[in-house]
Amino acid sequence: TQLLEQSPQFLSIQEGENLTVYCNSSSVFSSLQWYRQEPGEGPVLLVTVVTGGEVKKLKRLTFQFGDARKDSSLHITAAQPGDTGLYLCAGGRAGNNRKLIWGLGTSLAVNP
Amino acid sequence: KAGVTQTPRYLIKTRGQQVTLSCSPISGHRSVSWYQQTPGQGLQFLFEYFSETQRNKGNFPGRFSGRQFSNSRSEMNVSTLELGDSALYLCASSLVGNGYTFGSGTRLTVV
Repeated sequence: TQLLEQSPQFLSIQEGENLTVYCNSSSVFSSLQWYRQEPGEGPVLLVTVVTGGEVKKLKRLTFQFGDARKDSSLHITAAQPGDTGLYLCAGGRAGNNRKLIWGLGTSLAVNP
Repeated sequence: KAGVTQTPRYLIKTRGQQVTLSCSPISGHRSVSWYQQTPGQGLQFLFEYFSETQRNKGNFPGRFSGRQFSNSRSEMNVSTLELGDSALYLCASSLVGNGYTFGSGTRLTVV
């Protein structure tokens, strides 16, 4: 059973378009992290959110943690080919924040 | 500063053999975690070490083991390899309370 569901699984868009990917769960998490992974490399941490309703912006990327801390979204404005990669969310549980639960990821392709 | 270094990058082994993978964390990071990544299962947590002690363990069989040395470098060992062990093995280091920094991984293929 995958505790963190990511959608869509695959996304192919044109450069300049906007997109949103989702990370959903029926469980509450004390923190949620987003990573981006390129082929043949390890994931790279983008952001950590810890407060329900929290919104963080990283240039063209906007991350939101749901009020109930069960879901999160990542919105990319004016996507660029360099945004191509696998976007992973990972949740930490209260009492054992070190043992992250991972989604399967959204594979994003931004075409020039 | 240097990132997380994993060696080797690629490895091909035969069923029944054993393998040892190495991970050197970022200097000053005492926590090292290991993950197995496959297309169907995503990232699966193997174990975490902190100051030479295993602090967390995932749901993998006893064939998977690890250790951490006094300089925080870590190794993981898989014995009696099976075809299903083929995967990207990722090591991540962190300061307590922060996100992970991952290495580039070791791609293990079991034939």
